[in-house]
Amino acid sequence: GESVGLHLPTLSVQEGDNSIINCAYSNSASDYFIWYKQESGKGPQFIIDIRSNMDKRQGQRVTVLLNKTVKHLSLQIAATQPGDSAVYFCAETGGNNRLAFGKGNQVVVIP
Amino acid sequence: GAGVSQSPSNKVTEKGKDVELRCDPISGHTALYWYRQSLGQGLEFLIYFQGNSAPDKSGLPSDRFSAERTGGSVSTLTIQRTQQEDSAVYLCASSLSSRQGGYGYTFGSGTRLTVV
Repeated sequence: GESVGLHLPTLSVQEGDNSIINCAYSNSASDYFIWYKQESGKGPQFIIDIRSNMDKRQGQRVTVLLNKTVKHLSLQIAATQPGDSAVYFCAETGGNNRLAFGKGNQVVVIP
Repeated sequence: GAGVSQSPSNKVTEKGKDVELRCDPISGHTALYWYRQSLGQGLEFLIYFQGNSAPDKSGLPSDRFSAERTGGSVSTLTIQRTQQEDSAVYLCASSLSSRQGGYGYTFGSGTRLTVV
């Protein structure tokens, strides 16, 4: 079955520092990966995605890295800001036409 | 509309009552998904609709749960004879397509259901 999980349940980071959130996935057939950010009381919001034919993709202050060899996905946030405090989910698509989500990783930014 | 709209935003119901949750997806999005999120947990898939195809109901936890999508747009998730374990945030999402390797979802803000 499919399984997407996160290594660290909570990450505390000083404002201005970089954050790294890690995610392991088990479905080697997955070809599309997404990171979502969920703030309290809101639905998940798309941050960045990456396809399996890429290793790295950069957005505004965020970078997603994909290591297919070890089935690992990470999200890097540069110069973390208080507004980055949220729960971050990784998600993958496999062969069943829907996203499978991990449990989420709480990021707490310390001013 | 501009985003995915869900109603109500909060619902408190008595155990044993039926509830209906509504989702209005982004216009033109052919795929619509329902997920459930319990406190401190990830997103549990419930059901998805893709165009006129038969919905994938494989995630529905029991026969008390059902959903329909009328006219390829608005969807209603119905929970009959609610139980306390049904308490959760119910999230709806839509996307341009559900085809493999397809598109990211746009989520609504969810309906927080509390069964007392």
